Amino acid sequence: GAGVSQTPSNKVTEKGKYVELRCDPISGHTALYWYRQSLGQGPEFLIYFQGTGAADDSGLPNDRFFAVRPEGSVSTLKIQRTERGDSAVYLCASSSSSEGEQFFGPGTRLTVL
Amino acid sequence: KNQVEQSPQSLIILEGKNCTLQCNYTVSPFSNLRWYKQDTGRGPVSLTIMTFSENTKSNGRYTATLDADTKQSSLHITASQLSDSASYICVVSASGATNKLIFGTGTLLAVQP
Repeated sequence: GAGVSQTPSNKVTEKGKYVELRCDPISGHTALYWYRQSLGQGPEFLIYFQGTGAADDSGLPNDRFFAVRPEGSVSTLKIQRTERGDSAVYLCASSSSSEGEQFFGPGTRLTVL
Repeated sequence: KNQVEQSPQSLIILEGKNCTLQCNYTVSPFSNLRWYKQDTGRGPVSLTIMTFSENTKSNGRYTATLDADTKQSSLHITASQLSDSASYICVVSASGATNKLIFGTGTLLAVQP
């Protein structure tokens, strides 16, 4: 069984551009989480999906950040008008239930120049 | 505010030696505490998980302790190996928080030959 995968592994973009980060959870996992990890820090919660719906998006820093999970499997984190402060590793995790252990992907390292 | 603090920030030990990492938290209401290992460029991987009623949990050479009264946890690594070099992150989950994890900033461990 494959684990959580994320693409791309690295993304370099210019300030003001739009980016999409993709997460493929473990097959059958209904819960999906996005975290952001800045250099030297622990991950910070962004958003949690249960199935197709965002059950908790309280961690999204502002309205430039948006995430979708239209079919309850793959999720895309979208960042508009990127800023240098958005540079971080974006981690995705999935679990078999809302209380289950979360399994993390390798992350996407986003660099905004 | 829910917080997780870890010490030391970084640690260098010689191969074969033991070490202990500390974690203090102010998360309430408490659900469980986990220790994760994060290799450079990889997502975190769970080592141990403890609920309120558990005060020790082992996973091979890793032993975690939990004192729910003082809100402290420790991770003890025995007979360290070069492959133990990684960031160790203490993570606390609050009850009723839809499995939202609160991460510490981690302890960066370097094991030298």
